[in-house]
This record gives sequence, C-alpha cells and structure tokens, in this order.
Amino acid sequence: SQKIEQNSEALNIQEGKTATLTCNYTNYSPAYLQWYRQDPGRGPVFLLLIRENEKEKRKERLKVTFDTTLKQSLFHITASQPADSATYLCARASGSARQLTFGSGTQLTVLP
Amino acid sequence: SAVISQKPSRDICQRGTSLTIQCQVDSQVTMMFWYRQQPGQSLTLIATANQGSEATYESGFVIDKFPISRPNLTFSTLTVSNMSPEDSSIYLCSVGLAQGNEQYFGPGTRLTVT
Repeated sequence: SQKIEQNSEALNIQEGKTATLTCNYTNYSPAYLQWYRQDPGRGPVFLLLIRENEKEKRKERLKVTFDTTLKQSLFHITASQPADSATYLCARASGSARQLTFGSGTQLTVLP
Repeated sequence: SAVISQKPSRDICQRGTSLTIQCQVDSQVTMMFWYRQQPGQSLTLIATANQGSEATYESGFVIDKFPISRPNLTFSTLTVSNMSPEDSSIYLCSVGLAQGNEQYFGPGTRLTVT
C-alpha cells in the first residue's frame, strides 16, 4: 500500500541549531509533497510545497528537499527558536480532488 | 489564502446523540474536505464535499454515520450521528483554492462523547 511516514514522533533541539525532520514515502511516486505546521488546538497551516522535479525549496528559515531516489523529503528549520515548537506534518495529495494523506507528524520542541 | 471558521469550537455530547458541525469560508471554493484527528494522532480524511453533488467518502467512513451537506460554495456541514465515545476527536474542515495546491484549514471542533 502507499504509505507516507514520519519516523520521529518527537524531536528536541537547542535554540539556534538546525532542526531536520524526515518524511519517507513508499510504493508510489508523488508529484509533490507538502509540509504543514500544527499548533495545539489549531488546524494545520501550510508551509511549503515541493515538486518532484525540484531538489530544494526555501522560505525564510525553512528549507525542504525532495530526493526521489531515496523516496524522502527533508524539512529543515535553521536558527531554530522556541516559537518554532510545534508539530510538523508532511502530506501527499492524491485523487481527482487532490485529497491529502498526512504522515503521523513530528513534534518539535526547541529548548531555550 | 482563505479564512475558515467552524462552529461549534467544542462540545460535549451524550452517547447516541448527533452533532452538526458548520464550516464557513470567506470565499467561494469548489472543494471542501472534512478530516478527523483522534487524540494524539494525525489527520485522517473523512470525505470530500463538492457543491451540488454527493460527498465522496474515504474507506472506513459512511454517509449514514457522517452525513455531509454542501449547499453552496462557501458553506458545508458535517454531522456525527449516533455518537459513541470512540467518536471523540477533533473534526476539521479544509479547502483547496486550486487543484494540486495547498489546503487551508479551519480551527477545528473538539468533540467529546460521554
């Protein structure tokens, strides 16, 4: 079956360091992957979308890579801050309406 | 972007009753989606709601349990019927502004069934 997986349930890092989150997919080749941030009690907020023909995409302190050979996307937050603490979700779209299937999420905690 | 509101924000309901959740968008959109997020879990798609047609349900979700209405391009409702404690979850609606692009989510409705 087609799966999208985030291997780390939780990640703690020190403020100022780079956080790296992993999203792996199996048994299919997505045209693109999306990354969302979810804070407690809130709906997910879209961060970045990367297409299969894009190696890397950046937005301010965020960077996403897409490696079709490894079937993996990496999400980086540079110069991390306590305000970056949240759950980060990767998602793939499928179907005629581009419905989203989400990974299990990684809860990031940036320690001051 | 789109601004999405949901009502109610939370509710505590008794077993066997039904709750209707409303989702309002500030612009006209073709596709709306309903998700469930069980405690400590990620989001699972319940159904896709198209204006003027029947909703399309994902495996494991049925219309009798989760009837959906989509009367116009800015509004949808999801009803959780004959509730049991296992239905305790956060229910979120979302919209996609263009096919293949990102989705915008409402704040969610936190449902507790006792």
